[in-house]
Amino acid sequence: DGGITQSPKYLFRKEGQNVTLSCEQNLNHDAMYWYRQDPGQGLRLIYYSQIVNDFQKGDIAEGYSVSREKKESFPLTVTSAQKNPTAFYLCASSIGDKFFREQYFGPGTRLTVT
Amino acid sequence: AQKVTQAQTEISVVEKEDVTLDCVYETRDTTYYLFWYKQPPSGELVFLIRRNSFDEQNEISGRYSWNFQKSTSSFNFTITASQVVDSAVYFCALRPDNYGQNFVFGPGTRLSVLP
Repeated sequence: DGGITQSPKYLFRKEGQNVTLSCEQNLNHDAMYWYRQDPGQGLRLIYYSQIVNDFQKGDIAEGYSVSREKKESFPLTVTSAQKNPTAFYLCASSIGDKFFREQYFGPGTRLTVT
Repeated sequence: AQKVTQAQTEISVVEKEDVTLDCVYETRDTTYYLFWYKQPPSGELVFLIRRNSFDEQNEISGRYSWNFQKSTSSFNFTITASQVVDSAVYFCALRPDNYGQNFVFGPGTRLSVLP
């Protein structure tokens, strides 16, 4: 079955620690995205990548970092510089920007930092 | 400015009732794309529909229908004969043609369908 996997589903960390969220897709999609969702709010774009070894900042990139070494994988690191990291993180992918296609989402990772 | 407004924060209906979720958008682009997503309690967003700005035809898919009106910048979503499984948060999103990779999501409407 093709799809997007995110692991783990729940993640707990102490303040001051970096944490990496995994996102893998087997849809052969070129573009991948990371969003943050806070309670009662819509999604906000953190980073996106249109192609391997290239990525761009979204609206709220401060305190986050990403890499795109493989087409299938787009891990997100939440650094200690992120002031309010507790949130629900969603990874998505799409065929490619020029087709303005819909994005397909993974199941999300709920991060709690105390 | 690019913006999506979903004025209804929460809606509760009884099973088999019809319900309409409102979506109003703002963009200066003449070419844009509109989307609806469903987020069930599991958390994963499920794609429902995409509509481009040049296609104002309404669409029906089973119990779901969408009414796109450029004159009022609205893209409303109606569920006919609602079911408990329709309970979820529904997001409307806008993708303007000249806005890079960004989707602009509305805040979502939480729909509760009671048995």
